[in-house]
Amino acid sequence: AQSVSQHNHHVILSEAASLELGCNYSYGGTVNLFWYVQYPGQHLQLLLKYFSGDPLVKGIKGFEAEFIKSKFSFNLRKPSVQWSDTAEYFCAVTMNTGFQKLVFGTGTRLLVSP
Amino acid sequence: DAGVTQSPTHLIKTRGQQVTLRCSPISGHKSVSWYQQVLGQGPQFIFQYYEKEERGRGNFPDRFSARQFPNYSSELNVNALLLGDSALYLCASSQITKTSGRSSSYNEQFFGPGTRLTVL
Repeated sequence: AQSVSQHNHHVILSEAASLELGCNYSYGGTVNLFWYVQYPGQHLQLLLKYFSGDPLVKGIKGFEAEFIKSKFSFNLRKPSVQWSDTAEYFCAVTMNTGFQKLVFGTGTRLLVSP
Repeated sequence: DAGVTQSPTHLIKTRGQQVTLRCSPISGHKSVSWYQQVLGQGPQFIFQYYEKEERGRGNFPDRFSARQFPNYSSELNVNALLLGDSALYLCASSQITKTSGRSSSYNEQFFGPGTRLTVL
């Protein structure tokens, strides 16, 4: 079965620090990859997605992620975080066939201190 | 444009009771999926419906059921509630632009705000 691992459960950073959140998935076939964000009190929103093509994808609010197929990884990065990036971040994957079940990781809580 | 809407926002039930949660997709979206998010975990897939037909089911007991109506809205029903059913229930809608048998091209899923269910 598919699974997604997020290595960091809690991350605390100061403003302007760089961010990298790890995500690994287990599935040997073609996948679609996503990062979702859940700001406090708000619903899940899509940050960025990878379907095919350039493995470096750019999303909203200055986030980017790199798909490394050989490592089954899709790490999220941001060069300089802001206090408003405080949120929970979820990596998710779907298989590129059949119905559209999203498999999520357990999430990473990011706290950015001003 | 209105996003995905869910009702009610919060719900408190006792063990053994039954609950119905409702979801209205974004206009034009024909697929609805349901997820359960237990505190401290990522959402887990429960069901996907497309054109009123169940297209996928996650690893949940038969106490969980769902249906989709001709206007593409959906209901999730949970019978014989257990304490462990306490969670945020999320609905997501998406377009499906191409189908071939059970295969479809993927489109982004847009999530609603969820229904917070507490079972006492």
